[in-house]
Amino acid sequence: QQQVKQSPQSLIVQKGGIPIINCAYENTAFDYFPWYQQFPGKGPALLIAIRPDVSEKKEGRFTISFNKSAKQFSLHIMDSQPGDSATYFCAASKGGATNKLIFGTGTLLAVQP
Amino acid sequence: ETGVTQTPRHLVMGMTNKKSLKCEQHLGHNAMYWYKQSAKKPLELMFVYNFKEQTENNSVPSRFSPECPNSSHLFLHLHTLQPEDSALYLCASSQDNGGDTGELFFGEGSRLTVL
Repeated sequence: QQQVKQSPQSLIVQKGGIPIINCAYENTAFDYFPWYQQFPGKGPALLIAIRPDVSEKKEGRFTISFNKSAKQFSLHIMDSQPGDSATYFCAASKGGATNKLIFGTGTLLAVQP
Repeated sequence: ETGVTQTPRHLVMGMTNKKSLKCEQHLGHNAMYWYKQSAKKPLELMFVYNFKEQTENNSVPSRFSPECPNSSHLFLHLHTLQPEDSALYLCASSQDNGGDTGELFFGEGSRLTVL
């Protein structure tokens, strides 16, 4: 049973476009929702995270939108650049355990020049 | 050296071999982890160590044996592996203050191929 479902599996956008990656979860006890970015040959790195007390969080060109009732959250990348090409993972955890994360399957994003 | 370093970066081994993966964190964290990353699958948490004590083992087969001699070093000993164990093994660390634990910092991984 996959607790965090991520889509799409891959995504191609043009430079300046706004790719959107979606995740859905099942466990209503989850209370921490981070996104990780992974470049080829590197480990994942925390990009941005949100808790369910807010519906949106922005950090630079990256925005998380959170819909608690629908149990969904998404990552939006504004004015995407070729350097944003990477694999993006959503994740979730409960009880403040930011380390015991349940990850999605990842989305491979390619931003074309 | 800064961050989380893993060695070797690439490892090829036969099913009867015994090898070890090493992880070292230079961040002063007190918790370390092993994750398995396979293509098109979610990252799988394998083991968690807090203050050198194993606090989580996610039903990992006994052919994987972790060792954490101190808060800065973590090993994954491998023996009699199967081809399906081929994957990228990621080490991570964080600061666990007993409640809201901190961000996970990952190493670059050890790419394991089992023949």
